[in-house]
Amino acid sequence: AQKVTQAQTEISVVEKEDVTLDCVYETRDTTYYLFWYKQPPSGELVFLIRRNSFDEQNEISGRYSWNFQKSTSSFNFTITASQVVDSAVYFCALSLGGGADGLTFGKGTHLIIQP
Amino acid sequence: DGGITQSPKYLFRKEGQNVTLSCEQNLNHDAMYWYRQDPGQGLRLIYYSQIVNDFQKGDIAEGYSVSREKKESFPLTVTSAQKNPTAFYLCASSFGLAGVYRSYNEQFFGPGTRLTVL
Repeated sequence: AQKVTQAQTEISVVEKEDVTLDCVYETRDTTYYLFWYKQPPSGELVFLIRRNSFDEQNEISGRYSWNFQKSTSSFNFTITASQVVDSAVYFCALSLGGGADGLTFGKGTHLIIQP
Repeated sequence: DGGITQSPKYLFRKEGQNVTLSCEQNLNHDAMYWYRQDPGQGLRLIYYSQIVNDFQKGDIAEGYSVSREKKESFPLTVTSAQKNPTAFYLCASSFGLAGVYRSYNEQFFGPGTRLTVL
């Protein structure tokens, strides 16, 4: 069975610092999809990024960047120059079955950005 | 605006009663999903459906039931057999297999229903 581990339960940094959220996954399948979602206090999950197992290119979107390394089964998320609005719970998730089946989530990392 | 609607936002029920949570989407998505979230935990998959009139059990289906009679709707019933029903329930949808073939398959989530069983 697949598994996603987010070892950092809570991270607290001061605004403008860079912060990296770790995600390690386990699966025996060669085809899979990885996702990151943000959950603000309102509770609704917001999609951030999808990456399939055949695409190891890193991605940058504004202050957000993702580092996918199959050799270490990791899909880490970095926020550069953090802002208070980045405070939320962040989830890493894995999907098999071509990505149409349900997601397996990590337990999430609660990120606190202090002003 | 397109989106996913879950109602109500807060729901209270007495122990032993069945309760049905509503989920509606107007995104023309084929696939729909139900997840449960407990405090300090990630989301866990209850049921999912990739097409009308068909659905599959997720990791924690015991004590829950679903139906998929319409593409837009995927209601979840929490039965009295569910031992710990108090939780935050999130519904999601995606293009499912159609999205896979087009290289987009992310799931979009509704605002959630917080169920408290007294």
